[in-house]
Amino acid sequence: EIVMTQSPATLPVSPGERATLSCRASQTVNSNLAWYQQKPGQAPRLLIYGASTRATGIPARFSGSGSGTEFTLTISSLQSEDFAVYYCHHYNNWPPYTFGQGTKLEIK
Amino acid sequence: EVQLVESGGDFVQPGGSLRLSCAASGFTFSSHAMSWVRQAPGKGLEWVSALSGIGNDAYYADSVKGRFTVSRDNSKNTLFLQINSLRAEDTAIYYCAKSAPGSFRSDYWGQGTLVTVSS
Repeated sequence: EIVMTQSPATLPVSPGERATLSCRASQTVNSNLAWYQQKPGQAPRLLIYGASTRATGIPARFSGSGSGTEFTLTISSLQSEDFAVYYCHHYNNWPPYTFGQGTKLEIK
Repeated sequence: EVQLVESGGDFVQPGGSLRLSCAASGFTFSSHAMSWVRQAPGKGLEWVSALSGIGNDAYYADSVKGRFTVSRDNSKNTLFLQINSLRAEDTAIYYCAKSAPGSFRSDYWGQGTLVTVSS
């Protein structure tokens, strides 16, 4: 099983600042990596797939990078609606298609 | 518009069974793999199971293998999850998710159905 490790667990950031979230895979997942945003009481929403492609309707302030085992989600200028929990998820080759434990983005 | 509506969640005793359903609309259901993902109260997301579009390839997390069975009725655009021998640790919101074409990447999610296992 591929273990996905996200860091940090909690990230305090001020609105308007840049946020950088990390995700590491225990073995290569190539570029088969997605990022999801989840707000309280809501289902997850797809932000990024293929490590760096924004999903439909996702603002340009969200960007993803990386391949292999190291990935980054960057939010260039945080808006109030961006404070949420973010999960990385691999869908490489064979299951289980594991998730990271999440990074909670909170207002500083 | 893609819509996924889960149902079947309930309060059950340990050892009990439930059948969850996910009604899909807004896309060609049989052309897409589907997945179940769960989230225990206050915890993160856990991938549970996935099923290919025609239903011939099913995959499970080790934590549910042998107890959960995923299936689909493509004539009714519905995904199912039969869950047996329920344990307290199965308490969670169960989400169904549609996969992108040719992939198990989940691009749309339902709002989930709550399963509570307690005596």
